[in-house]
Order: sequence, then C-alpha cells, then structure tokens
Amino acid sequence: QVQLVQSGAEVKKPGASVKVSCKASGFTFTSYYMHWVRQAPGQGLEWMGIINPSGGSTTYAQKFQGRVTMTRDTSTSAVYLELTSLRSEDTAVYYCVLCSSGYLGPFDYWGQGTLVTVSS
Amino acid sequence: QLVLTQSPSASASLGASVKLTCTLSSGHSSYAIAWHQQQPEKGPRYLMKLNSDGSHSKGDGIPDRFSGSSSGAERYLTISSLQSEDEADYYCQTWGTASWVFGGGTKLTVL
Repeated sequence: QVQLVQSGAEVKKPGASVKVSCKASGFTFTSYYMHWVRQAPGQGLEWMGIINPSGGSTTYAQKFQGRVTMTRDTSTSAVYLELTSLRSEDTAVYYCVLCSSGYLGPFDYWGQGTLVTVSS
Repeated sequence: QLVLTQSPSASASLGASVKLTCTLSSGHSSYAIAWHQQQPEKGPRYLMKLNSDGSHSKGDGIPDRFSGSSSGAERYLTISSLQSEDEADYYCQTWGTASWVFGGGTKLTVL
C-alpha cells in the first residue's frame, strides 16, 4: 500500500533554512507527481509546489518562489522540501502529498506531516 | 482565477445528515474537485474525487455514508448518519493549469 513517511519535527531560528524529507513506498516512485502542502496553526491548507520524481522538474507557487527548492532522490524513493530565509510565518505543518492519477488530479495520499517551528 | 469558496462552519445532530458546499469561481464550473477530511489534531485524509456531472470515486476505506453531488459550479459533500468522529474540518481542492487550490475549509460540529 502507498506510504509517505516524513522526517521529524524541526525547530529553526529566523533566517535559517529547513529541509524536510518524505520517503515513498508501495508504488513506482518515478510514476507519480508529488506535491508539498503546508498548514499554519489554526489555518487552512496551502499548496507550495510540485515535483516530477522522474525528471526532477518542479513548479512552485508564486508565493514561495526564490525561497523553496524541491528535489528528489530516486535511489531512495524520497522527495525533499527545502525552505530558506525562514520567518515566524513559516511555522506550520508541512505535508508531502501524492496525486496517483497523474499531473492533474486529486491529492489522494498524504504523509503524516512535519511540524516546523520558527522561533528565536 | 481559480478559487474555491466554502462556508466556515456547519453543524448537525448526531445521526442526522449534513450537506457541505464548495463553490467554484466563475468560468470554472466544469472542474472536478476533491474532498478531504481533517479530524482534530490529525493530518488530512482524502475522501473522494467529485466530477461536474456528480459522479464520484472514493478513497480507500471511505464509508458509504459519504457521498458527493454537483450542480453548476457547486460541489457538495453529504454525510449521512452522522457520527461523533465526523466532527472535523472539510476541505475541497481542485486543480488547473499548473495550479492547485484549496478552499478555506468548513468546520463541521456534530451536536
């Protein structure tokens, strides 16, 4: 069965960077696009970007361009989210998400989430 | 611009039914959406994909109590025989050309 297992919680200071991992199993890693979504405390869900695990191409939400990098490692079936120049507003739970129907479609599998806290 | 609009809150009694609404922005009434449930202190769970003609396909293990329907730009999630564990936030989600969007979510209270 599809599993997306994310790395543990992080605490970072303002201005620092964070890198969150998401290890996938139960499907052919290079066959499906992966997304990152975040949720600030008490807020809704916010799409951050998409990565094609096959070729590594990415598209980022305009809000995060310049601060976000999504990468993948096909040897370990993992995708990574790196966010730089962290500020308090980046405190959120970050989810990796799979769309199993292709480039456009519903987010049908969610990782368990990784809490990133930005605090001085 | 692709936008989804949801009412912030809804409530219904235990054992009753409730219908949640997600409205697509002008010009996007043919779009499919997905419904997701987020129980307190948990991550989101995919419920179903809902097409503009009302056909829908549910995620693994989603009970028959959850169903979807459509009318114009409106997409509905109906939960019947409400149980206490249905108290949660419900988000709709859609997708367009290099664009993936969530509604603001509806907080459902089971009375």
